[in-house]
Amino acid sequence: AQSVTQPDIHITVSEGASLELRCNYSYGATPYLFWYVQSPGQGLQLLLKYFSGDTLVQGIKGFEAEFKRSQSSFNLRKPSVHWSDAAEYFCAVGALHSGAGSYQLTFGKGTKLSVIP
Amino acid sequence: GAGVSQSPSNKVTEKGKDVELRCDPISGHTALYWYRQSLGQGLEFLIYFQGNSAPDKSGLPSDRFSAERTGGSVSTLTIQRTQQEDSAVYLCASGGLLYEQYFGPGTRLTVT
Repeated sequence: AQSVTQPDIHITVSEGASLELRCNYSYGATPYLFWYVQSPGQGLQLLLKYFSGDTLVQGIKGFEAEFKRSQSSFNLRKPSVHWSDAAEYFCAVGALHSGAGSYQLTFGKGTKLSVIP
Repeated sequence: GAGVSQSPSNKVTEKGKDVELRCDPISGHTALYWYRQSLGQGLEFLIYFQGNSAPDKSGLPSDRFSAERTGGSVSTLTIQRTQQEDSAVYLCASGGLLYEQYFGPGTRLTVT
């Protein structure tokens, strides 16, 4: 079964600093990978996704992520963080749930980002 | 609207009562998912609908939980005889491209 690990529960960065949020996945085939962001009291918004091709993917709000198969990682990065980026970030891997024939996302437990002005 | 909507946004209920949570997916999306998000936890998959196929109910935590989707559109998640451990945010998502999911704002359920 697939799994996602986000090692950092909470990260604090200063506004303007660079950011990297870690994500490691476990899946036996080529993964479909996603990053979502959740602001307080809101649902999840898709930041970016990797299906195939270029391993560096660009997303909304200036975020990017790099798929590294050898490290089973899909880390999220942003060169300069804004105060409005404070939120919780979830990494997810998509897989076919063969037992039920359904396509599912398995989510990590999330990383909460705080931004110091 | 263009996004997924959920109602109510907040629900407070007494232990033992039944509750119904509603999800309106994005028009044209054939896939619909329900998740539960407890405080400090990730997202727990509950149930998945795809078109007219039988739903994948493998994530439902007990037989007190059920869901239906009428006409391939609106879905209702029902929790019978609510317990305090059912307190959580219930998120609905509808699916466009393969695996891509768009989430609603959620319903915060509090069982007292």
